[in-house]
Amino acid sequence: DAGVTQSPTHLIKTRGQQVTLRCSPKSGHDTVSWYQQALGQGPQFIFQYYEEEERQRGNFPDRFSGHQFPNYSSELNVNALLLGDSALYLCASSKGQGAYEQYFGPGTRLTVT
Amino acid sequence: GENVEQHPSTLSVQEGDSAVIKCTYSDSASNYFPWYKQELGKGPQLIIDIRSNVGEKKDQRIAVTLNKTAKHFSLHITETQPEDSAVYFCAAKLSGAGSYQLTFGKGTKLSVIP
Repeated sequence: DAGVTQSPTHLIKTRGQQVTLRCSPKSGHDTVSWYQQALGQGPQFIFQYYEEEERQRGNFPDRFSGHQFPNYSSELNVNALLLGDSALYLCASSKGQGAYEQYFGPGTRLTVT
Repeated sequence: GENVEQHPSTLSVQEGDSAVIKCTYSDSASNYFPWYKQELGKGPQLIIDIRSNVGEKKDQRIAVTLNKTAKHFSLHITETQPEDSAVYFCAAKLSGAGSYQLTFGKGTKLSVIP
């Protein structure tokens, strides 16, 4: 039973560029949440997708956008990258409307230079 | 919004001793409290969770207690082993429609000394 997978593992981008991160949820899960984890901090909620729609958003600017596909996989897009966007980006999947029991993937380490 | 405070930020224990990590939350509408273990270079791993209608939950060497009145919950690890060394995060989730995010504490780095 495959867990949550994310790609790529690491990414280096230049300030001002755009990036796309990908996530495949755990088998049987239909909800995907994205979190940003700065070094030495707890994960911060970016947004959550359910039934291909964004249903809750955290305190992140519009530069952060996402998408969920019919197979429940998801993408996170970040435009106009800033140095402060350097972080570990985590995808979590869960089952059903309540979004309890969120299981995390290994993350994508984004470095902006 | 919800705010979660976690203490201590670092904890060192001798192998075989117990470890306790404590968290407080601000919003009494929170009804779900998971704990995650994060090893270096990995994503957080869900190790135990508790809902607000339960006061305590146990899974082998790990237990979580919840005090709704005081708005705090704790993780207890007994008979610690070197492989328990990691960063542990508590989190809280509000109940109700439109509330799906987990709000995390800042983490506790647990070191188990052999």
